[in-house]
Amino acid sequence: GAGVSQSPSNKVTEKGKDVELRCDPISGHTALYWYRQSLGQGLEFLIYFQGNSAPDKSGLPSDRFSAERTGGSVSTLTIQRTQQEDSAVYLCASSTRSGTPSGQFFGPGTRLTVL
Amino acid sequence: SQQGEEDPQALSIQEGENATMNCSYKTSINNLQWYRQNSGRGLVHLILIRSNEREKHSGRLRVTLDTSKKSSSLLITASRAADTASYFCATDRFTSGTYKYIFGTGTRLKVLA
Repeated sequence: GAGVSQSPSNKVTEKGKDVELRCDPISGHTALYWYRQSLGQGLEFLIYFQGNSAPDKSGLPSDRFSAERTGGSVSTLTIQRTQQEDSAVYLCASSTRSGTPSGQFFGPGTRLTVL
Repeated sequence: SQQGEEDPQALSIQEGENATMNCSYKTSINNLQWYRQNSGRGLVHLILIRSNEREKHSGRLRVTLDTSKKSSSLLITASRAADTASYFCATDRFTSGTYKYIFGTGTRLKVLA
């Protein structure tokens, strides 16, 4: 595709339910990143994939959060037993490699609301 | 807490004036980047400056980096109403076999026509 896409664009769920967020990076981008942005705040780094591998998962807020990437392409971020404090915009980005001068290309985000 | 701290948090200027935003960080870095975000949508990459560079230009943008002070500044010259957005600095550091990315809390710029 022309850019990074994310789905769904909006998700409203009830506390305690599981949600799955999807990210389709730009074709050929080996690096993929997940961030969380609360209202009016900066971005909180969650996890980074190089290919299918995520060497460091320590940025994930709790063990209710998990992420995977398959085939070096699509990634899913799963939040189990959602809590109200999980409400935020979840942003995905990709790049050809880390530290590239062209930076990261961001998707439009998924706005998650936990009631 | 966020490593990157931008100041000011908010800035309002008249069209045609220059806008300067600053960013401070705490640990050593590989690169520092600036991004723009319009109305809570996805971020757009503006410019990357490497840790061994001191200044970089791109169109109306000028970025400086002072690694001794762990700070960077973004200057937008001859601002336009379309520059109204939030601006974030982001640092990346390779440690323990992986990259860590830290975004600041952002500067909300408003350019008045």
